[in-house]
Amino acid sequence: GNSVTQMEGPVTLSEEAFLTINCTYTATGYPSLFWYVQYPGEGLQLLLKATKADDKGSNKGFEATYRKETTSFHLEKGSVQVSDSAVYFCALSDRGAGSYQLTFGKGTKLSVIP
Amino acid sequence: DAGVIQSPRHEVTEMGQEVTLRCKPISGHNSLFWYRQTMMRGLELLIYFNNNVPIDDSGMPEDRFSAKMPNASFSTLKIQPSEPRDSAVYFCASSFVSGASYEQYFGPGTRLTVT
Repeated sequence: GNSVTQMEGPVTLSEEAFLTINCTYTATGYPSLFWYVQYPGEGLQLLLKATKADDKGSNKGFEATYRKETTSFHLEKGSVQVSDSAVYFCALSDRGAGSYQLTFGKGTKLSVIP
Repeated sequence: DAGVIQSPRHEVTEMGQEVTLRCKPISGHNSLFWYRQTMMRGLELLIYFNNNVPIDDSGMPEDRFSAKMPNASFSTLKIQPSEPRDSAVYFCASSFVSGASYEQYFGPGTRLTVT
């Protein structure tokens, strides 16, 4: 079946530090990959996505590249801000399996301190 | 355009009572998903609908849970009777499934506390 594994948190960084949150996946078909962000007390918001190998998704300074050879979709940001403090979820959707469900990782909590 | 709307935002009830959570998806979307989020189990898909028809309810924990989608603009998740272990945040999400476009849009959630 499908699964998503992301690095355990919490992650605490100082403002302007470089961020990497690792995400790897297993899928039976050819998935699309997503990063969602959840701010305190809110629902999940789509941060970025990639639908095929070597695609790079980007938004708000965050980037992630779909790496089929390593089955990975790591999230990066060059300089984090306090406002980036949130929980980040990696997810996949396996269209090849005929399903549009999302399989989520467990989430990684990021805290950015001034 | 309004996002996914959920009500109530907070619900506190006593064990044994019936609880009904409501969701209005984004207009034009054809798929709707109910999730439950807890610290212990993270985000779990309970059920999803496509064109108002339940497609997969394998995530519904037990018979106490039921979900309906009588039309394209409204869905309910009912728990009867409720138990303390049902305490969680329940999210509704909607999506327009079409070719390569099918990202889900989440509502703000309903925080349920069962005492």
